[in-house]
Amino acid sequence: AQKITQTQPGMFVQEKEAVTLDCTYDTSDPSYGLFWYKQPSSGEMIFLIYQGSYDQQNATEGRYSLNFQKARKSANLVISASQLGDSAMYFCAMREAQTNFGNEKLTFGTGTRLTIIP
Amino acid sequence: DSGVTQTPKHLITATGQRVTLRCSPRSGDLSVYWYQQSLDQGLQFLIQYYNGEERAKGNILERFSAQQFPDLHSELNLSSLELGDSALYFCASSPWTSDEQFFGPGTRLTVL
Repeated sequence: AQKITQTQPGMFVQEKEAVTLDCTYDTSDPSYGLFWYKQPSSGEMIFLIYQGSYDQQNATEGRYSLNFQKARKSANLVISASQLGDSAMYFCAMREAQTNFGNEKLTFGTGTRLTIIP
Repeated sequence: DSGVTQTPKHLITATGQRVTLRCSPRSGDLSVYWYQQSLDQGLQFLIQYYNGEERAKGNILERFSAQQFPDLHSELNLSSLELGDSALYFCASSPWTSDEQFFGPGTRLTVL
């Protein structure tokens, strides 16, 4: 079974509008972390935001916020007031409980290609 | 700039050859992770080193190996290369207490 599911292969959004990128996850571990990364056409992976499973409040970083619904196992990324520079691939990732010291590998979804239209 | 460096940026080689990809983590980060991004497999974890020791293995082929040196830089060795090994190879690093992994710019490997 897929551990991270991103059901939107591509999205087109008008500039200045808000956009929500969907992510659902599957884990039986009570302790886990959820990440969003942005990959522009240049290829680098840029960390955007992190949400821990025990965090009481939804994470926010500038224009990025994470809509964390634990019971539904979803961790959607919300980008407010989208800009042309937001056009990129967006990946949701999960880190499950450390099975041994220092083991923090990430499992990634298949990504969503976001295109901002002027 | 994440502070993680990878060399070379691009690598073009032939089938059957061997290459070495190099990664320097951020200053102070003890953990190094290698990921492969290909069109058919997506982003996959390969292997993790922590302070010189192998900590976790993912979908890493037997033809691939890695190590982390005393100065904490890491190398990923790919041998008997096949066309399907063409991919973007990322290195990431993190402090052991942090939840965030910082990715390098990647090495784009093309096998002809």
